[in-house]
Formats: sequence, structure tokens, C-alpha cells
Amino acid sequence: EDQVTQSPEALRLQEGESSSLNCSYTVSGLRGLFWYRQDPGKGPEFLFTLYSAGEEKEKERLKATLTKKESFLHITAPKPEDSATYLCAVLPGGGATNKLIFGTGTLLAVQP
Amino acid sequence: DSGVTQTPKHLITATGQRVTLRCSPRSGDLSVYWYQQSLDQGLQFLIQYYNGEERAKGNILERFSAQQFPDLHSELNLSSLELGDSALYFCASSVDVSYNSPLHFGNGTRLTVT
Repeated sequence: EDQVTQSPEALRLQEGESSSLNCSYTVSGLRGLFWYRQDPGKGPEFLFTLYSAGEEKEKERLKATLTKKESFLHITAPKPEDSATYLCAVLPGGGATNKLIFGTGTLLAVQP
Repeated sequence: DSGVTQTPKHLITATGQRVTLRCSPRSGDLSVYWYQQSLDQGLQFLIQYYNGEERAKGNILERFSAQQFPDLHSELNLSSLELGDSALYFCASSVDVSYNSPLHFGNGTRLTVT
């Protein structure tokens, strides 16, 4: 069964304290791995797509990396406005659909 | 703003009732998805439509149904509501069904069943 596990469930950082969020997955083939950010009361906001092991994508203080079993979202020198829930999702191989399977997220709190 | 519009934002209703949630996709997007988000389970895929046709089905209850209309907006119908149906319901849209077509989400409808 396709599965996505994110850790930690919650993370509290001081402003400027860099860290990483983990997303491990078990899927029957991987067509893509997606990172989303979700603010309270809002829908998930698309951040990155990674397609193959070794690929990296960057956006401001965020960098996403991918291996054959997991993905990391590195947050460098975070600011309070980076506080949100970060969701990882996978697109399993095969099929004629691009429905995503989501993890339960990491709730990040960055304190000033 | 993702460009995906969902109405209403909040819905409070009683057990046994029926409700309809509405979604307008981003301009140009042909595919619409419905997800349910509850506190303990995260985002669960319900159903996908592409250009008016059902494309994929997830763990959608028989009491739930959906459709996509010719103007590409979609409606999710929930009937015989139970307390456990209380959740956030998200609609997402994408250009097509290719693997490199990311989903863009609306801000959801919060359903409370009392």
C-alpha cells in the first residue's frame, strides 16, 4: 500500500535556527513528490515538485531534496512568517490520474 | 490566491441532512479533485474529474457524490450526514492529468454536523 510518513509531527525553532523536515514514502513507483505549505484556515499552497533521486529545488529559505526513499525540506535561517504546516505528497506510478497521497504534515512554529 | 474558489466557507447542519459544496477551478484547468481533511487523518482523496468525466475515485462514501459540469465547476453532494462527516473539504484543480501538473487548492469549506 502506498504510504507517506512525515516527521517530526511538530517542530519549534528560534528565528534563524536552521532545520530539516522529513518525508519518507513507500510507493509502487514514484512519478513525483510534492511539497505544500498550509496556513491555518487556508488550503495547501504548492511549493515544489521533485521527480527523481538527486533532484533539488529551492525557493527563498526553503530547499527540497529527494532520495529513493525520502525527501527533506531544509529551512535555512527561518523567520516567523515561515510558521505553517508543511505537507508532503506523492504521486504513485501507473494509472491515468494524478491524484496525490498526502502525509499528515509537520507543524512548524518559528519564534522571534 | 490560488484561483480556486470554494463556496460556502462554512456550513453548519444537522445529522441526516444533505448539503452541496461548490468549486470553481482556476481558469484553464480541466481537472478537479475533492479532498477531505480531518484533524486525525490529514488530507484524504475523495474523487477526481477531468473535463466532465470521472477520472479516479478514492475512499468516497456511497452517501457522497460529485459531478463536474460543462463550465468545469464541480459540486460535491453529501447526504444522510453523520457527526463523523464534520471536516474541511478542499477542492483542487490542475491543468490536466499529467504527472507534472501540480494541484492548486481552494481555501476549503468547513462542514460542521451537529
